[in-house]
This record gives sequence, C-alpha cells and structure tokens, in this order.
Amino acid sequence: EPEVTQTPSHQVTQMGQEVILRCVPISNHLYFYWYRQILGQKVEFLVSFYNNEISEKSEIFDDQFSVERPDGSNFTLKIRSTKLEDSAMYFCASRSGTSGAAGETQYFGPGTRLLVL
Amino acid sequence: KQEVTQIPAALSVPEGENLVLNCSFTDSAIYNLQWFRQDPGKGLTSLLLIQSSQREQTSGRLNASLDKSSGRSTLYIAASQPGDSATYLCAVQKADGGSEKLVFGKGTKLTVNP
Repeated sequence: EPEVTQTPSHQVTQMGQEVILRCVPISNHLYFYWYRQILGQKVEFLVSFYNNEISEKSEIFDDQFSVERPDGSNFTLKIRSTKLEDSAMYFCASRSGTSGAAGETQYFGPGTRLLVL
Repeated sequence: KQEVTQIPAALSVPEGENLVLNCSFTDSAIYNLQWFRQDPGKGLTSLLLIQSSQREQTSGRLNASLDKSSGRSTLYIAASQPGDSATYLCAVQKADGGSEKLVFGKGTKLTVNP
C-alpha cells in the first residue's frame, strides 16, 4: 500500500541553523501539507500546498519557514534559522483530491523528530 | 475559532470490551471529520473519514458516527484487543471555502489490557 515517507526520522541541530525536512508524498496525490506536534501537545497545521503554491498557512508559518516541491516527487519544509521552540515532530501529509471520502482523506507520514539545542 | 475536545484523555479497558471514544467540536460548519490512530513516537494512521453529509462510517471493528448539529462524533471499537492500544485523535476540516487544514483534538490514550 502506498505510503508517505519522510527523511530523516530524527534530526538534531543547533539554534540558528537551517534545516530541511524531506517528504515523498503518495504518488499521484495533488495536495500536500505540513503539520507539527510539540511533545505533549496537539497536532498543529502549518501549511498546505497545491499546484506549486501555498494555498493556506497558519500563524506559526512565518518568514522562517518555506516549502518547495523541487521535482515531481519530493516536498520539503525548510526552517531558515531554527529556534528552541521549533523542537517538535513534523508530519507531512498528502491527499489525492479525487471525489469522495478517499480523495478527502489526508495520509500522514511517520514524521521527523527535530530537536533544536 | 474551531476547538476540538476529546474526553476522556485516557481510558483503560480489559480485552474484549466494546468501547466508545468521544470527540466534540465547537463550530458545526465542518466539511469532514477524520479519526486517526497514533502509536507512541510514531505517525498518524488514518482510520475513518466521515463527510459532513454522512452520519456514520464503518471499517472492520470500527464505527464512527457524526452529529454535526450537536458538534459530536464517536468512535466505537468492538471487541477490543491489546493491539488497539494507542492514542486516538479526531480532527475536523471546516467548511470554509478553500480551507483544508485539519484541527485536531488532543486525543484519547487507550490501553487494552490482556
């Protein structure tokens, strides 16, 4: 069964460093998302992406964050200058956009655990 | 602003018991509601999605219901097994033109004891 994959599974970085989190959405899916979950807290929406542009972003997604789909398979989240409070599990998700429940379902990857020291 | 609440925060049951997990949301103008399972330190596995026009969805031992007007959904798990132990999250997508973000509850941590 097709899955969303994410790399790396864990990343440790120093405050102020740039990090790039990578995702390979399910093939033929058209809608892509990033969410994050700070330890012990709710999963929070960051950004949605469709047709090579951001369709929606949350207040969390400030100028330090950017997303890119550099080729036909990868979807990346870049944090330019990491802060301590960026430490969280980051989830990528995708959906096909076909009609019905199957097309509306967002499928999540296993996550990248980011630790900023 | 949409708020999603899940009660109880934790639930422990003996194997074989049928159980119900609850989810409530403050804004009834939703497009769909999705139930997920999250194992410790892992990603989210989609279990069921209920569209706003539906009242329930079933998958195997799972049955999810939706009452939009009262802002509630339940996830019924029949004949629970130790392998069902996980945190169960519900998330709603609001019926706002173009918005696709899911708003999550904090989850119910289920433990099924052998």
